[in-house]
Amino acid sequence: KQEVTQIPAALSVPEGENLVLNCSFTDSAIYNLQWFRQDPGKGLTSLLLIQSSQREQTSGRLNASLDKSSGRSTLYIAASQPGDSATYLCAVERGYSTLTFGKGTMLLVSP
Amino acid sequence: GAVVSQHPSRVICKSGTSVKIECRSLDFQATTMFWYRQFPKQSLMLMATSNEGSKATYEQGVEKDKFLINHASLTLSTLTVTSAHPEDSSFYICSAPRQAEAFFGQGTRLTVV
Repeated sequence: KQEVTQIPAALSVPEGENLVLNCSFTDSAIYNLQWFRQDPGKGLTSLLLIQSSQREQTSGRLNASLDKSSGRSTLYIAASQPGDSATYLCAVERGYSTLTFGKGTMLLVSP
Repeated sequence: GAVVSQHPSRVICKSGTSVKIECRSLDFQATTMFWYRQFPKQSLMLMATSNEGSKATYEQGVEKDKFLINHASLTLSTLTVTSAHPEDSSFYICSAPRQAEAFFGQGTRLTVV
């Protein structure tokens, strides 16, 4: 059974810092990995999708890497801003578009 | 990105009543949609896969007679929580895949009193 772990569970940083969120998964047989953002009481916004054959994806200040063999992914956020405050979720696709999620990292960026 | 709309965003209902939640793909067709549930400080857990034109597939431990799913068209899936109980109170969220990427609705906060 696939298990997804995200570390840290919570993170508080001052504005402007670069930060790294970690995600690990137990079964390396994945189709892809996706990072999402969730604001309190809201739905999920897709941030980055990394196919299993890819090593990384970038979008603006966000960079996600994937090391499938070791079961790890990182989300790098450059020059963090208060508007980045949210919960960040990592999910791996196990096939047929079904996702297994981690519990998320709650990020707070203070001005 | 693609747009998935979920309605209602919040609902409060009495124990024993039924609640219907709608999930629509607004700018693409989805033969498959997914329903997840999220308890506070927990991961999203897949409840069931909704298949257009056929029966839904439920995850282990999810009661199909309690959580009725109908995928009547290529853009609409509905989840009906029947005979709701307080323990059904949760955040329900749907998703639809498009070109290998999952797009999510806004979620529905269900409170059963």
